[in-house]
Amino acid sequence: DAKTTQPNSMESNEEEPVHLPCNHSTISGTDYIHWYRQLPSQGPEYVIHGLTSNVNNRMASLAIAEDRKSSTLILHRATLRDAAVYYCILRDPSDYKLSFGAGTTVTVRA
Amino acid sequence: GAVVSQHPSWVICKSGTSVKIECRSLDFQATTMFWYRQFPKQSLMLMATSNEGSKATYEQGVEKDKFLINHASLTLSTLTVTSAHPEDSSFYICSARVSGQYTGELFFGEGSRLTVL
Repeated sequence: DAKTTQPNSMESNEEEPVHLPCNHSTISGTDYIHWYRQLPSQGPEYVIHGLTSNVNNRMASLAIAEDRKSSTLILHRATLRDAAVYYCILRDPSDYKLSFGAGTTVTVRA
Repeated sequence: GAVVSQHPSWVICKSGTSVKIECRSLDFQATTMFWYRQFPKQSLMLMATSNEGSKATYEQGVEKDKFLINHASLTLSTLTVTSAHPEDSSFYICSARVSGQYTGELFFGEGSRLTVL
């Protein structure tokens, strides 16, 4: 499985943007880049995914580097409810299994 | 959106007993479901893939006789922890994908916390 590397933690102030980097230098041509987040004592929640082009949805934006070896999840205005562990995961579309790494713990200060 | 529900949310049992955890897709059919385990302050670890109408596929190192998985219908998978011991205490989470669609998204249950005394 192609691996991802994320910072252990990041802090942000409420209503400020948060940029979460993810390195995936061994990504294959067919791997999708997925982001999930896990709030305390809950199951993970889907955030966004993409292949080559940047993606936006109501939760976040995903910026993918041209060589696809890295990506950045952008939370445009952090709220206290965005405090969670964010996981960047590569997934082959033929396989629905997700392999979770350590993720980035995001703390939002009021 | 698609909802996955787990039951029970938490359970306490005595060592040596068996515990069953249910995972239901409430508003969609799920041919495939996945079971994860998460210890405190650690990430999720995939235990097995549950396929409707067939045997589950277990990840390396997961004992299939200890963690029994049944996926008898398109909306229900169960995980039974047999002869539970304190080291089996963990947060168990299931996920599911919508059958027949590639939406890119997996839906997770809220998790079931098992404490074995």
